[in-house]
This record gives sequence, C-alpha cells and structure tokens, in this order.
Amino acid sequence: GAVVSQHPSWVICKSGTSVKIECRSLDFQATTMFWYRQFPKQSLMLMATSNEGSKATYEQGVEKDKFLINHASLTLSTLTVTSAHPEDSSFYICSARGLAGERNEQFFGPGTRLTVL
Amino acid sequence: RKEVEQDPGPFNVPEGATVAFNCTYSNSASQSFFWYRQDCRKEPKLLMSVYSSGNEDGRFTAQLNRASQYISLLIRDSKLSDSATYLCVVNAGYQKVTFGIGTKLQVIP
Repeated sequence: GAVVSQHPSWVICKSGTSVKIECRSLDFQATTMFWYRQFPKQSLMLMATSNEGSKATYEQGVEKDKFLINHASLTLSTLTVTSAHPEDSSFYICSARGLAGERNEQFFGPGTRLTVL
Repeated sequence: RKEVEQDPGPFNVPEGATVAFNCTYSNSASQSFFWYRQDCRKEPKLLMSVYSSGNEDGRFTAQLNRASQYISLLIRDSKLSDSATYLCVVNAGYQKVTFGIGTKLQVIP
C-alpha cells in the first residue's frame, strides 16, 4: 500500500508551547488528508479533514484556532497544536487519501505521541 | 445511538479457534466499509474492504448486511499473531469516515 510518514513520532513539551506535526505522503499525491486523535482505550476520533489548497473542515468540538492545519501541497499536511495543555496529550494520527486510494481507503501515518507536561 | 458500534471485548480465544466480530452502523446512507487492524500503540492498517457480495482473504472473511446495517469479520484458524484490535470503519460519504471503538482480540497459546 501507499506510504505515509509522520514527524515527529513522539514529542514532550511544556504547557503553553506549540507543537507542529508533519504528515507526508511519500509515494502518492494526497488530495485529502485527515487528522485523528486517539486517547487511551478510545476509538480514533476525526479532528479535521483537509483538502490541498483549501481550508480544513473541523469536526464539531474541535477548536480550529487551537489546532491549526495547513495542507499546502499534495504531499504535506501539518497540524500545529497551539498553546498545548496536558489535556491535549494524546496519540495524533494522520491519514491520506488520493490517487492511490481506491474505494475511499485511507493510508495512515505511524502516529505522533504528544505528551504535554 | 453511536454511528458505529462494536463490542470492545476482549475476546480471548485459543489458537486455531474461529472467532467472529460484528459491527453495526446507524447511517443507512453509508457507502463503504472496512476492517482495520491496530496493534498496541501503532497506527491502524487496512485489513480488508467489505463488499456487498462479501469477500474472503485467506483466513479472513468479511460480510455486509445492509438490511440489518452491520458488517462482520470472521477469522478462522486463529494465530497468535492475530492478536490485535480490529476497527470497523464506515464511510458515509467522501469525507465522512467513522471508526468504531475497536474489538480487542487475544489469541491464547
């Protein structure tokens, strides 16, 4: 299947700082990228959907000013957690869908584990 | 009612057993369905798509029942390596994807 990378794989930061997570599709053009969050023992929760070159669509309850998403190219989307707080500690996973994605399949990145102290 | 419901388990089964999971969905307009596998602290990986006619891939069989709005996954001859969480994914439109909470399977020697 197609390959999606995420960077960093884990990050620890102090409360109040901002953290940027990158999601790249390595061998295909991702017309749509999704950002998910997963708390322990809970399901993946979609945070937002972004299409290349346009503003992201956020799910209900997700603050767009806190979770900044940029999908500037067909191979890169970034999620910036601004003014992070301990409750933002979670596993953040991106997925991508594009020309290589058949029948709406998504290809997931390896995830970024964020810990806010 | 949740959009996608799964029994979180865990399902503890001996090696070689056959185990089945169901997943129900509430949106009758849902268009495509998938089973993903997620290992502990890893990202989900596509296991198989679920077609209206049902599909089989080795020891895994997936089926869709639109009338009753559920999909199923059957695993035959369970292996230790099958131990994981199995996520049901329902796509109600191009940008509307919902994951179930996942069903945890533990295959015991």
